[in-house]
Amino acid sequence: QVQLVESGGGVVQPGRSLRLSCAASGFTFSTYGMHWVRQAPGKGLEWVAIISYHGSNKYYADSVKGRFTISRDNSKNTLYLQMNSLRAEDTGIYYCAKDWEMVYFDYWGQGTLVTVSS
Amino acid sequence: QTVVTQEPSFSVSPGGTVTLTCGLSSGSVSTSHYPSWYQQTPGQAPRPLIYSTNTHSSGVPDRFSGSILGNKAALTITGAQADDESDYYCVLYMGNGIWVFGGGTKLTVL
Repeated sequence: QVQLVESGGGVVQPGRSLRLSCAASGFTFSTYGMHWVRQAPGKGLEWVAIISYHGSNKYYADSVKGRFTISRDNSKNTLYLQMNSLRAEDTGIYYCAKDWEMVYFDYWGQGTLVTVSS
Repeated sequence: QTVVTQEPSFSVSPGGTVTLTCGLSSGSVSTSHYPSWYQQTPGQAPRPLIYSTNTHSSGVPDRFSGSILGNKAALTITGAQADDESDYYCVLYMGNGIWVFGGGTKLTVL
């Protein structure tokens, strides 16, 4: 069965960096696009970024463009999110989600919590 | 900046029918936005319900249905049950690799 397991969250000071990982299993990782979606405490879902199956195409929400970088290592079945210049408003649960045909997010991980605070 | 709009809250009686909507701050939602819907209960990851306007995700009961109503996407729950009490989110594909979620609707079953 499809499993997505995020890791790398924690408490970080404003302006610092953090890298999240998402380990995938149960499907052919290298043939699917992948997303990051986040949720601030008590707030709604916010789409963050998508990467194509081969890693060549990447798209970002305006709120993170220029600060966050999505990447993947298909040899390790792992998705990443490099987050730089972190702000308090980046605090939240970060979910990775599998893309299906650029139509929807068909599987989600359980998320990893990022807290940006001094 | 495109905003995807949803009712902040809604209530339905057990056994009743409710329709949640998903609109755009400017313009109409169409099938080309590939509207999809997700259910989220506290502390859990979102669960896919409907994609491509009206296609059921695997294992989702038929009492959940999707459509376009006027200029909005819609999620209709027929025969509401207590465990349908959740937050519901729509998301639209805006083109050029960009997705935008609505603010979510908190559904109460009482």
